Amino acid sequence: EIVLTQSPGTLSLSPGERATLSCRASQSVSSGYLAWYQQRPGQAPELLIYATSSRATGIPDRFSGSGSGTDFTLTISRLEPEDFAVYYCQHYVSSPPYSFGQGTKLEIK
Amino acid sequence: QVHLVESGGGVVQPGRSLRLSCAASGFFFDTYRMNWVRQAPGKGVEWVAVIWSDGSNKYYADSVKGRFTISRDNSKNKLYLQMDSLRAEDTAVYYCARGDDFLAFDYWGQGTLVTVSS
Repeated sequence: EIVLTQSPGTLSLSPGERATLSCRASQSVSSGYLAWYQQRPGQAPELLIYATSSRATGIPDRFSGSGSGTDFTLTISRLEPEDFAVYYCQHYVSSPPYSFGQGTKLEIK
Repeated sequence: QVHLVESGGGVVQPGRSLRLSCAASGFFFDTYRMNWVRQAPGKGVEWVAVIWSDGSNKYYADSVKGRFTISRDNSKNKLYLQMDSLRAEDTAVYYCARGDDFLAFDYWGQGTLVTVSS
């Protein structure tokens, strides 16, 4: 089973700043099957990025994903007030388990 | 428009059972894998179980293996999670989520809360 470790645990930034969130896998993620989700308080997670770098339907282009092998990054180019939330990375392939990282909380500084 | 609605949550005593349902609409239910994901209060998300589109394969997280059973009824567009021998640590919001080999978990329900307490 692949273990995903996200860093930092909490990130404090101001609106308009750039956010960089990290997700490290315990072994290489096959074919780049790495996704990112956003979860706002009281809501279900929402898919942001799939296959490492593809934005889900309706996701603004200020969100971007990159990486390969064991190191992956979610970048938010210019933070909007609605972006302050918890973000999770996930490894998904045909054979479960489908592991999630522990999450990064993005909070307003 | 894809819509997933969970139901069946509530308060249950340790050792008892509960059955969750997820009603799906707006897509061809019988062509997608379906998942259950849970989130304990104040904690991160945890994948629980997946069932293949035709029900031929089912996989579980180690934490629920042998106690939980995922199933589906494609004629009713419904997903189920039978939870037996419940423990306090099973207390969580349970979400159903549509799965895709390429698109990951692209749609989620709003969740249903299960509280295991005496």
